[in-house]
Amino acid sequence: AQSVTQLDSQVPVFEEAPVELRCNYSSSVSVYLFWYVQYPNQGLQLLLKYLSGSTLVKGINGFEAEFNKSQTSFHLRKPSVHISDTAEYFCAVMGGGFQKLVFGTGTRLLVSP
Amino acid sequence: NAGVTQTPKFQVLKTGQSMTLQCAQDMNHEYMSWYRQDPGMGLRLIHYSVGAGITDQGEVPNGYNVSRSTTEDFPLRLLSAAPSQTSVYFCASSRVRGTDTQYFGPGTRLTVL
Repeated sequence: AQSVTQLDSQVPVFEEAPVELRCNYSSSVSVYLFWYVQYPNQGLQLLLKYLSGSTLVKGINGFEAEFNKSQTSFHLRKPSVHISDTAEYFCAVMGGGFQKLVFGTGTRLLVSP
Repeated sequence: NAGVTQTPKFQVLKTGQSMTLQCAQDMNHEYMSWYRQDPGMGLRLIHYSVGAGITDQGEVPNGYNVSRSTTEDFPLRLLSAAPSQTSVYFCASSRVRGTDTQYFGPGTRLTVL
């Protein structure tokens, strides 16, 4: 079964600084990778997804992620964060054959002035 | 377009009580699913449905029942609530099963005393 690891439970950062949220997945022949964001007291919203093709995926709100097959990673990055980016971010993986979506434990991004 | 709606937003139950969490979507999506979110555990799949009349178990189905009589609605029933079912419950839908974007409802926060 697929699994995903988000090593950082919380990442504090100052406004306008760059940020990277780490995600590693269990290896498989083919995987599909996702990043979701959850703002306080809301449901999850898709930020971006990797299905195939270019390994650099651009999403909403200036976020991007890079699929690295050799390192089984899919780290999320933003060059300059805003206060409004404060939220919990979930990495998720789906195995080939459209298996179920498996979520990581989440990383809370705390942006301070 | 309301998207995915869930009722109630909050609920407190006593051990042994039963209740139904409601979920509806107005996007004509075939695939619907229920997740529970617990601190430090991310989201875990409870049950899912690939279309009206078809349901299947997810990762943590014990203590929960579902049915899908229409495309729009996917209620989750707690048969005999237990404190271990205290959680935040999210309903999600996507056009079809697979890598299509899943749209999440705002969640139901359930406390079982």
